[in-house]
Amino acid sequence: GAVVSQHPSWVICKSGTSVKIECRSLDFQATTMFWYRQFPKQSLMLMATSNEGSKATYEQGVEKDKFLINHASLTLSTLTVTSAHPEDSSFYICSPGRGDRTDTQYFGPGTRLTVL
Amino acid sequence: DAKTTQPPSMDCAEGRAANLPCNHSTISGNEYVYWYRQIHSQGPQYIIHGLKNNETNEMASLIITEDRKSSTLILPHATLRDTAVYYCIDASNAGGTSYGKLTFGQGTILTVHP
Repeated sequence: GAVVSQHPSWVICKSGTSVKIECRSLDFQATTMFWYRQFPKQSLMLMATSNEGSKATYEQGVEKDKFLINHASLTLSTLTVTSAHPEDSSFYICSPGRGDRTDTQYFGPGTRLTVL
Repeated sequence: DAKTTQPPSMDCAEGRAANLPCNHSTISGNEYVYWYRQIHSQGPQYIIHGLKNNETNEMASLIITEDRKSSTLILPHATLRDTAVYYCIDASNAGGTSYGKLTFGQGTILTVHP
């Protein structure tokens, strides 16, 4: 299956700092990247969808100025949590897409963000 | 909101078959049934998918009712490593840039015990 990596796997930061999470699609070209977050004991919720070379589309209730997404290449997308606060502590997961019919969807291993 | 409903939790003895049900009564004709699982603190993992025929792969079997309103995921010989949250998702298999966007419900927490 497709190989998707995320870096870092976990991060602890102070309130008010910014954190960048990288997601790499290692063996296919990701024209689309889906970013999910998962709060403790809850399910995955889609935050935003990014398309290579264009602006991301955010789901309702997700602040686009707080969660900056860059999808500058077909193998790399980044999510930056700006001015992080404790309520942003969550598990962030990326999932690349090729925009065409595929049988499976692959997910990154996730990044655990803890904001103190 | 997710369009599928699953029991919140199930238990299974190691070595026995685990049968996880899912209701998807509003599924449309071009929507497949997908099953994913998420082991604690990992990203979701694809298991199997189907449209209307039963499917089997090295991980599991998928039984879809004739009216397609429900399905059952079968892990034939559950092991402790199968303890995870199992998600049943109905999704279009069409193309386009929105393809691959999955809506996750609460899933079923499967606990396999010795």
